[in-house]
Amino acid sequence: GAVVSQHPSRVICKSGTSVKIECRSLDFQATTMFWYRQFPKKSLMLMATSNEGSKATYEQGVEKDKFLINHASLTLSTLTVTSAHPEDSSFYICSARAGSIGNTIYFGEGSWLTVV
Amino acid sequence: GENVEQHPSTLSVQEGDSAVIKCTYSDSASNYFPWYKQELGKGPQLIIDIRSNVGEKKDQRIAVTLNKTAKHFSLHITETQPEDSAVYFCAASIGAPGGGNKLTFGTGTQLKVEL
Repeated sequence: GAVVSQHPSRVICKSGTSVKIECRSLDFQATTMFWYRQFPKKSLMLMATSNEGSKATYEQGVEKDKFLINHASLTLSTLTVTSAHPEDSSFYICSARAGSIGNTIYFGEGSWLTVV
Repeated sequence: GENVEQHPSTLSVQEGDSAVIKCTYSDSASNYFPWYKQELGKGPQLIIDIRSNVGEKKDQRIAVTLNKTAKHFSLHITETQPEDSAVYFCAASIGAPGGGNKLTFGTGTQLKVEL
């Protein structure tokens, strides 16, 4: 299957700082990527849909100024958690839609964020 | 919006037995139904998917069935092995397979295959 790479896999940051998570589609182009948040033993919660070359579409209740999403190329989307707080600590997962592979959606390995 | 329900939340089977996980969806316009396996601390891995123009799909020990009338779909794993132990998520989306349309996930099933 197609490969989606996420980096970093784990990151610890101090409260008040910002942290960026990258999501790359390695062997296909993705005009659409999705960012999820997952709490322990819970399902995936969609945060936003990232569209290449345009603004992201955020789900209700997700602060767009806090979770900045940039999709500057067909293979890279980034999520920046700004002014991080301990309650932002979570597992963040991206996925990418592979238009060349039947529009199948593939997920990255996830990024563990801990805010101290 | 779409709502996906998944049962059971936990499932324990003996090695070699079959496991069945069931999902229902609410929006009759949904036409793409993938299943993902998630191991602890990792991202979900696509294991099989089915589109609404097909009633059943099989890939080795894994099969998925879809009943559009009843709006439910199921994952079947035969000859289970310990490495099948993980959390399984069903999902549904509207439009072309994932075609710009977001996936709505079920709540997950923790499958444990015991020796």
